[in-house]
Amino acid sequence: DSGVTQTPKHLITATGQRVTLRCSPRSGDLSVYWYQQSLDQGLQFLIHYYNGEERAKGNILERFSAQQFPDLHSELNLSSLELGDSALYFCASSPNPNTEAFFGQGTRLTVV
Amino acid sequence: DQQVKQNSPSLSVQEGRISILNCDYTNSMFDYFLWYKKYPAEGPTFLISISSIKDKNEDGRFTVFLNKSAKHLSLHIVPSQPGDSAVYFCAARTSLRNAGNMLTFGGGTRLMVKP
Repeated sequence: DSGVTQTPKHLITATGQRVTLRCSPRSGDLSVYWYQQSLDQGLQFLIHYYNGEERAKGNILERFSAQQFPDLHSELNLSSLELGDSALYFCASSPNPNTEAFFGQGTRLTVV
Repeated sequence: DQQVKQNSPSLSVQEGRISILNCDYTNSMFDYFLWYKKYPAEGPTFLISISSIKDKNEDGRFTVFLNKSAKHLSLHIVPSQPGDSAVYFCAARTSLRNAGNMLTFGGGTRLMVKP
């Protein structure tokens, strides 16, 4: 158990819908990262927040957004969902941007 | 453009022997490298890392070697155990300020250790 909690574990939704994935980082970790793992793309970095502020952005679609709240939990919002958004979404956390990140178990999103 | 590549999608090794997993990178700004292990239905688990100022880092049965001139790193597992069977991801990052802690991952190598 990495200490990073992601909910829900599984999510099935229809195209065009909007979903919110939630992440609770390890106690004391200020950095939260979101990654997407799809079959043909491997693990892709989406976005990094540090203590509530966006620190770095990867190949995150405009339909996707994230935020980190004062209690340090983070949410990833995916809207206007397409079939190609079906993937595993991982959240990771670390105490600061220079230390190893610990990953949650992921949320498996299936868009039908 | 894959900046981190693991050219072997799978590797099969006998229990007790050495497992060598390879990783190549193209971005010369990468200065920190990590290996993660992933079991099915779980998130990646951090294994071992190495800074670009070193060429070797050892932790128990796991050793990572870095060859900066060749832009190549490898993970050695000695001796290999059946419980090591998993997908191994190589990852890299740069300490440039605007990069945050963004990790660029390779595609993974599935290691199977046969009893």
